[in-house]
Amino acid sequence: QVQLQESGPGLVKPSQTLSLTCTVSGGSIGGSDYYWNWLRQPAGKGLEWVGRIYTSGITKYNPSLKSRVTISVDTSKNQFSLNLTSVTAADTAVYYCARDLLEWVSGAYYYYGMDVWGQGTTVTVSS
Amino acid sequence: EIVLTQSPGTLSLSPGERATLSCRASQSVSGSYLAWYQQRPGQAPRLLIYGASSRATGIPDRFSGSGSGTDFTLTISRLEPEDFVMYYCQQYGSSPPITFGPGTKVDIK
Repeated sequence: QVQLQESGPGLVKPSQTLSLTCTVSGGSIGGSDYYWNWLRQPAGKGLEWVGRIYTSGITKYNPSLKSRVTISVDTSKNQFSLNLTSVTAADTAVYYCARDLLEWVSGAYYYYGMDVWGQGTTVTVSS
Repeated sequence: EIVLTQSPGTLSLSPGERATLSCRASQSVSGSYLAWYQQRPGQAPRLLIYGASSRATGIPDRFSGSGSGTDFTLTISRLEPEDFVMYYCQQYGSSPPITFGPGTKVDIK
């Protein structure tokens, strides 16, 4: 059974870079058809998708964060990572990693949703 | 960008009652690209429904999804005590690929 676990500093200073890693266990991140996502949720608020990466290295980012976000994958370590630069208090949130699947089925793409999530890690931006 | 609106914001019901949650999109969404999640306090979201109407693995059959185009519905046929939590709809699109609705909270009347 695939499990995801986020790790990284819980406190980041304003203007610095937030760096998180998601470790995948119980399955291989490489060679699979899954996409690997980062999402976040400020306290008491809704979910915001940050970006995703495919094991080929192709990435897509939320346009609202695109200039500050980089997601990378390390298949040898079965991990993918998030870097968010120039953070402010508005970036304070619980950060989740999750996998989802988009497949070509019978002549059309089919989206299977985000079926595995990490437990989340709280990141606070404060001096 | 496709914007998702969920209604009501809060749904107050009693255990055993039927819950009907709405998700409306600003543009047509392929039913194949619409998912629903449940989130309990302090926990990560859990996938309930994908493809607008397919239950995810291990989800009880009291949860069902329906809809097409711009209007989608999550129905909980008989509310159990553990169902009184938050629910989000999510769509997969072009740019950005993924957006969520603001959520509906189901609480005990």
